[in-house]
Amino acid sequence: SQTIHQWPATLVQPVGSPLSLECTVEGTSNPNLYWYRQAAGRGLQLLFYSVGIGQISSEVPQNLSASRPQDRQFILSSKKLLLSDSGFYLCAWSRSDSNQPQHFGDGTRLSIL
Amino acid sequence: RKEVEQDPGPFNVPEGATVAFNCTYSNSASQSFFWYRQDCRKEPKLLMSVYSSGNEDGRFTAQLNRASQYISLLIRDSKLSDSATYLCVVNLNNFNKFYFGSGTKLNVKP
Repeated sequence: SQTIHQWPATLVQPVGSPLSLECTVEGTSNPNLYWYRQAAGRGLQLLFYSVGIGQISSEVPQNLSASRPQDRQFILSSKKLLLSDSGFYLCAWSRSDSNQPQHFGDGTRLSIL
Repeated sequence: RKEVEQDPGPFNVPEGATVAFNCTYSNSASQSFFWYRQDCRKEPKLLMSVYSSGNEDGRFTAQLNRASQYISLLIRDSKLSDSATYLCVVNLNNFNKFYFGSGTKLNVKP
């Protein structure tokens, strides 16, 4: 069966520090991969998605970036965090076939001080 | 205009009640539809896919109305454990993107 791992679960970072969140998927090949952010009490905001190695689509201009160095690895990064980057970050995968749902990792709760 | 719209609620219902949520979507080219459940401070979890003919999974029934561009979720015999936020999700397969509603909060009370 397929599993998705996301870490760390919680993170407290100072403003201006760098960020690296990692997500890996097991049990499937060539998944579509996604990064979302959810602010407290709000809906999910799609940040990036990827349909293959090295292929990244950005949805919202911001100081975040994403990379997919391997088929089942998706990394969210920032060189300098802002206060507004606080939130709940979720990685998700879906099969590349049509009509397949997404499955989420446990999420990373990021607090910027 | 948002791609997917939901009534945020909250819906406060007693145990055993039947409750229904609707969700409207704006893009008539939408291909796939899902309901997710999200507990407080947790990740969304797939509750059920929504098929054109409607489908049922235990106490949960999902319906799709393409003409009016909405999907619905019906929960029968509500349990305390059904308390959560329910997210409506629509996918335009050609673009590998999923559009999430902001969620409808359900509180089931004893």
